[in-house]
Amino acid sequence: GQNIDQPTEMTATEGAIVQINCTYQTSGFNGLFWYQQHAGEAPTFLSYNVLDGLEEKGRFSSFLSRSKGYSYLLLKELQMKDSASYLCAVVNTNAGKSTFGDGTTLTVKP
Amino acid sequence: DTGVSQDPRHKITKRGQNVTFRCDPISEHNRLYWYRQTLGQGPEFLTYFQNEAQLEKSRLLSDRFSAERPKGSFSTLEIQRTEQGDSAMYLCASSRPPGTSGRGEQYFGPGTRLTVT
Repeated sequence: GQNIDQPTEMTATEGAIVQINCTYQTSGFNGLFWYQQHAGEAPTFLSYNVLDGLEEKGRFSSFLSRSKGYSYLLLKELQMKDSASYLCAVVNTNAGKSTFGDGTTLTVKP
Repeated sequence: DTGVSQDPRHKITKRGQNVTFRCDPISEHNRLYWYRQTLGQGPEFLTYFQNEAQLEKSRLLSDRFSAERPKGSFSTLEIQRTEQGDSAMYLCASSRPPGTSGRGEQYFGPGTRLTVT
């Protein structure tokens, strides 16, 4: 079966750092994506991990531990526009089929 | 690169009617995916294509759902005999295979919001 767990909601302050965790148990692993989804809009790609370790991309970083079935997304210098849902998605097959978590709704407060 | 487009953006239909949605992927993407998303949930996989071949269909999908991608370009998703439980946002996404200038990340269209009354 497929199981991806993320916290439902998180709140953080503008300018701060927040870490959104994702744990997974899936059949097949070919990488893990993080997507951002603003309310009423489509998801947009943020980051990708296939090997263990940290991938940094501007204010966003993502970490993967395949042995632990664990990833996190780190957002630095939070801005109000970062208020959105953050989706963790595990790529199950070589053809790119992905299983998504239910997302973490992040609210950034002034 | 004009992005993934979907049509219509909104559809209201009565229970029992058939509906068809269209997705036009990014032109050089050979992979196309359909998802369904309800409020507070992540996208739920429905089916996907590589070129014109439908490689997998979710076991959660009943026989009322069918998808095609006849020429390996645009795709259609048809729902027959709609039920109220079909009300959701239907998302289409496309991608290149990993390694071909990208990591296989999916680019999503704006979605078609279906309301079944």
